[in-house]
Amino acid sequence: DTAVSQTPKYLVTQMGNDKSIKCEQNLGHDTMYWYKQDSKKFLKIMFSYNNKELIINETVPNRFSPKSPDKAHLNLHINSLELGDSAVYFCASSQGQGVYQPQHFGDGTRLSIL
Amino acid sequence: ILNVEQSPQSLHVQEGDSTNFTCSFPSSNFYALHWYRWETAKSPEALFVMTLNGDEKKKGRISATLNTKEGYSYLYIKGSQPEDSATYLCASYYNQGGKLIFGQGTELSVKP
Repeated sequence: DTAVSQTPKYLVTQMGNDKSIKCEQNLGHDTMYWYKQDSKKFLKIMFSYNNKELIINETVPNRFSPKSPDKAHLNLHINSLELGDSAVYFCASSQGQGVYQPQHFGDGTRLSIL
Repeated sequence: ILNVEQSPQSLHVQEGDSTNFTCSFPSSNFYALHWYRWETAKSPEALFVMTLNGDEKKKGRISATLNTKEGYSYLYIKGSQPEDSATYLCASYYNQGGKLIFGQGTELSVKP
């Protein structure tokens, strides 16, 4: 049983399109995250939700909008996709605020903008 | 700006060798240090979460130490095996912004 699952695994689309990536966790965690792996392979936090409430909102273009319908799901919607959005996006979850508990990651979604 | 740095960036060892790598982080406002193991085409998996100065944790042949006063952690692998080949990530948690700051990882390759 996959603990943190994100779909799709690969997403190839044209510049200017709108797309969504879905994430679900079955671990009963109350905090979920979106990370972007940048060109230098660093994992950088984008957003974090705790019990459906936004708690971290990094300096991310407002074309990126997270949505958490319940604490087991955190989706990422991206409007007007740009070439620079090409990256691997990882969803993660943790119990509590992720300080003393490890984060559990999905397998990533590789987004390619043509 | 909070930076977490790992060294070396990559490491090639022979099966059976013991190895270690370093994670350096700013020691002020430190809360916790996480280590993750990231195999190619898989997701990062947690190894350790460490919080106290002098902490030592062990999982099989892998162990880690923590020095919060000087801002570094070491990860040791005893008797490396080909299945240990992966990228090892460390991340430090800071209360400023309440987030994990990741290093760029150390890529370990173990040759049989």
